Amino acid sequence: GNSVTQMEGPVTLSEEAFLTINCTYTATGYPSLFWYVQYPGEGLQLLLKATKADDKGSNKGFEATYRKETTSFHLEKGSVQVSDSAVYFCALSAGSNYQLIWGAGTKLIIKP
Amino acid sequence: SQTIHQWPATLVQPVGSPLSLECTVEGTSNPNLYWYRQAAGRGLQLLFYSVGIGQISSEVPQNLSASRPQDRQFILSSKKLLLSDSGFYLCAWSPGQGGDYGYTFGSGTRLTVV
Repeated sequence: GNSVTQMEGPVTLSEEAFLTINCTYTATGYPSLFWYVQYPGEGLQLLLKATKADDKGSNKGFEATYRKETTSFHLEKGSVQVSDSAVYFCALSAGSNYQLIWGAGTKLIIKP
Repeated sequence: SQTIHQWPATLVQPVGSPLSLECTVEGTSNPNLYWYRQAAGRGLQLLFYSVGIGQISSEVPQNLSASRPQDRQFILSSKKLLLSDSGFYLCAWSPGQGGDYGYTFGSGTRLTVV
């Protein structure tokens, strides 16, 4: 079946460090891929998405490339800020019911 | 533009009391609607989803129920709350067709059962 695997957290970095949060997936067909962010005490917000192989989603300095050959959608940011501290969820959409399959989430902590 | 409203933001309820959380969507028609629960420090657990009025699918057996009395209204209920029902409840919607759009989430309800 369809599944999403994220690196376990928490991930702790210093401000201005380079960020990578790994996400790999298993899916039949050609899923769409998403990254969501959840700030403390809030709901989830769509951060970026990619709907076909080799697409790059980007937003707020974050990027992720849909790699079909490695079934991955790793989230990257060149220089993180304290305000990026949040939980990040990777997800895929596949199948006729359009439900999202979620990763477990990765907590990111940025220290000044 | 589409908006989703979820209330209340926080709720403290005694064990055995009833529960009603409401979610409404504006600016779209025939959305897919979802209720998720998030325990402290944990991931997302899909509780219910609905593809139309009166159509509810339950993902896990539990003490909760859901209803969709109108196209853009989704209600989460319980007759008698348990301590284990505590958590952060999130409502979300997606377009009825097309898996490329993802979900839009409400701001959540933090429920504490005491």
